[in-house]
Amino acid sequence: AQSVTQLGSHVSVSEGALVLLRCNYSSSVPPYLFWYVQYPNQGLQLLLKYTSAATLVKGINGFEAEFKKSETSFHLTKPSAHMSDAAEYFCAVSKAAGNKLTFGGGTRVLVKP
Amino acid sequence: EPEVTQTPSHQVTQMGQEVILRCVPISNHLYFYWYRQILGQKVEFLVSFYNNEISEKSEIFDDQFSVERPDGSNFTLKIRSTKLEDSAMYFCASSGGQPNQPQHFGDGTRLSIL
Repeated sequence: AQSVTQLGSHVSVSEGALVLLRCNYSSSVPPYLFWYVQYPNQGLQLLLKYTSAATLVKGINGFEAEFKKSETSFHLTKPSAHMSDAAEYFCAVSKAAGNKLTFGGGTRVLVKP
Repeated sequence: EPEVTQTPSHQVTQMGQEVILRCVPISNHLYFYWYRQILGQKVEFLVSFYNNEISEKSEIFDDQFSVERPDGSNFTLKIRSTKLEDSAMYFCASSGGQPNQPQHFGDGTRLSIL
């Protein structure tokens, strides 16, 4: 069975500071990995995905994530936080294209001026 | 950009009543999903649907739940006899099924059972 662990349910960063959201996964097969963002009262929007190509993946809004097989991690980073980055972020894993997503518990990001 | 649309955005229903949540997936997608998110909890998979049949379902998706693609564009989730614990945000998603085609989500239907 697959599982995803997001370390830290809440993260507070200052505007302009580095954003680092941690995600570790377990999967019996090489996984597909995703980060989604959820703004208040909205659905889940894809930030980026890893599907066995380059291990450093760039997404929208300046975010990127690095797949590290040895650490079973897929941490999300952004060099400089913006107020508009305040949202909840979900890491998810899938065994294959078309398969269900298994989500982590989410990390809510607060950006301080 | 094409998007997944869900209606209604908010549904209030008495316990024991039937409810149908509606979704219009992206038109050329082949895989359809329902997820739910109970307030304060993680997003949970309910069911996936491909080629006009359920391809996978979770233990949450018991006999009270059913899905249907009645007309080639809509994708519905029916809860036959709602319980208080069914109160949650329900998300529909669709995907093309290829590795470079992730799931796209709708904005959700907030279901409140009284």
